[in-house]
Amino acid sequence: GAVVSQHPSWVICKSGTSVKIECRSLDFQATTMFWYRQFPKQSLMLMATSNEGSKATYEQGVEKDKFLINHASLTLSTLTVTSAHPEDSSFYICSAAPGQGARSPLHFGNGTRLTVT
Amino acid sequence: LAKTTQPISMDSYEGQEVNITCSHNNIATNDYITWYQQFPSQGPRFIIQGYKTKVTNEVASLFIPADRKSSTLSLPRVSLSDTAVYYCLVGDRAGNNRKLIWGLGTSLAVNP
Repeated sequence: GAVVSQHPSWVICKSGTSVKIECRSLDFQATTMFWYRQFPKQSLMLMATSNEGSKATYEQGVEKDKFLINHASLTLSTLTVTSAHPEDSSFYICSAAPGQGARSPLHFGNGTRLTVT
Repeated sequence: LAKTTQPISMDSYEGQEVNITCSHNNIATNDYITWYQQFPSQGPRFIIQGYKTKVTNEVASLFIPADRKSSTLSLPRVSLSDTAVYYCLVGDRAGNNRKLIWGLGTSLAVNP
């Protein structure tokens, strides 16, 4: 089946530093990937849609300058949390689908637990 | 994008069949129904997907009535490892539109 790999699985950083999270589609190409954030006991919240070769599309309320997304190849999208603050601590998850048709469900990475101290 | 309504939580015992029903009254013609499972600190895992009638795979069955305003995920003979949050999502995934609205899901607790 389709596999989405996310790295790192957890990271601890100091306030003010930047953190990069990678999302790879291992056995398929993905022109579009999605980034989510999930707080404890809450549901997934879509942050942005990553488009290969073009700018990402951000959801309302998500700062594009704070959450930089780069989708430079058909198998890799990165999310960089810039100048991280404790309130950015969360569980970040990416997803992608092997095809564009309606029968191609999303597959998710295992998430990245970010803790900003 | 259609919203869904599911029970917040359910309890069951090992070996029982568990049925989780999801309401999606505003489902559109092009929408598919997809169920995901999520364990703590992990990404959601695809379980099953359907459009109408019944779909069955190696882990679950999905029942969808003719009006498609609801769907029921059926987990046969659950075990402790099925304790997780289950999400029902409805959306049109044609083309690049894969924006799905995630509700709170159903937290299933399987007891010994």
